[in-house]
Amino acid sequence: DARVTQTPRDKVTEMGQEVTMRCQPILGHNTVFWYRQTMMQGLELLAYFRNRAPLDDSGMPKDRFSAEMPDATLATLKIQPSEPRDSAVYFCASGDRGALRFFGPGTRLTVL
Amino acid sequence: SQQGEEDPQALSIQEGENATMNCSYKTSINNLQWYRQNSGRGLVHLILIRSNEREKHSGRLRVTLDTSKKSSSLLITASRAADTASYFCATDEHSQNFVFGPGTRLSVLP
Repeated sequence: DARVTQTPRDKVTEMGQEVTMRCQPILGHNTVFWYRQTMMQGLELLAYFRNRAPLDDSGMPKDRFSAEMPDATLATLKIQPSEPRDSAVYFCASGDRGALRFFGPGTRLTVL
Repeated sequence: SQQGEEDPQALSIQEGENATMNCSYKTSINNLQWYRQNSGRGLVHLILIRSNEREKHSGRLRVTLDTSKKSSSLLITASRAADTASYFCATDEHSQNFVFGPGTRLSVLP
């Protein structure tokens, strides 16, 4: 049963610390998305990759966020330095040539 | 800006009743999708309807699409307590970059 995995599931950190979230997309999927979900803003698209190349990261605060795909089985989202307003659930999703998105379980980030 | 907007924001019904949620969007689309999110979990894809389709069924789910009104509805028939979740529509803008609406929170009371 193929699924998207994310680590860690929960992360509590202090303001100013670096946070790295990891995602393993479904094998064979060529598109990877990072979303952030908060009560106030709902689901926001932060960035997405196709065939490991970043296509759109306009939703991401550039000064502190970075997203990469070192290889086809790993996508990372890094926040440095983290701030309390970054507290949210971060979802990774993958897709193939079709329109469906398969979501991971999310990383719940709390920045104190 | 959000492409899809669901309404109502929240809906509370009794088990066995039907639940209807609506989604409106602004620009032309290739397809529209509905997802479900249980509390604290990731989104799960429910159904996709293409712009040239008007209605689609999947089990107890029925989705309609009216491109002239730029709207879609999701009907859940004979609801169950397990249907309690948030429901989101997502539309594409002729690209991979589609966005989600704010969702409808459905509560099905036993």
